[in-house]
Amino acid sequence: DAGVTQSPTHLIKTRGQQVTLRCSPISGHKSVSWYQQVLGQGPQFIFQYYEKEERGRGNFPDRFSARQFPNYSSELNVNALLLGDSALYLCASSKIAGGGETQYFGPGTRLLVL
Amino acid sequence: AQKITQTQPGMFVQEKEAVTLDCTYDTSDPSYGLFWYKQPSSGEMIFLIYQGSYDQQNATEGRYSLNFQKARKSANLVISASQLGDSAMYFCAMRDDQTGANNLFFGTGTRLTVIP
Repeated sequence: DAGVTQSPTHLIKTRGQQVTLRCSPISGHKSVSWYQQVLGQGPQFIFQYYEKEERGRGNFPDRFSARQFPNYSSELNVNALLLGDSALYLCASSKIAGGGETQYFGPGTRLLVL
Repeated sequence: AQKITQTQPGMFVQEKEAVTLDCTYDTSDPSYGLFWYKQPSSGEMIFLIYQGSYDQQNATEGRYSLNFQKARKSANLVISASQLGDSAMYFCAMRDDQTGANNLFFGTGTRLTVIP
């Protein structure tokens, strides 16, 4: 079975621009979570979606938004990009939200903001 | 608030030897889950092993075992018979089971280098 897929793999943007990152979960998984990993740190939780509803939100500004589609894929949008948004953005999927389910991660999207 | 601490920024181990990567955690919730992930230079986080807070036995998955000491709030990863392919960043993470969400709190990671 295919794992979590993310697109694009790499992205270069300039300050003030907007970006959309995409994620497709493992088949049968209904929950998608997004994480930001700045260089030299562990991933930080941004959002979790389950059955198209937001189930959790981390400590990120309103410039960050996400949604989940009926096929359980997800998009993460970041508006008004700042240099500090440069990071690896990881998507993870699990069968359900909560309940002890393991999250499986995709390869990530590397975003560079110039 | 949940917190994960990994005090070893880098570790070296000889090929075929065992190595222990340290992880301590802090939470006031009685129900939680502890995970270890491996992150090669490619960036993907690879799930290694899971331990639930109510599990009586230490988790094992092949060459990986988790030394869970609940009273000390530690969840160390033991890798036996190290291989060159084990060289990577290793992250300890905790999930809070109380909120209904599934978000993970990660430590800062330990870079493991396996020496031939």
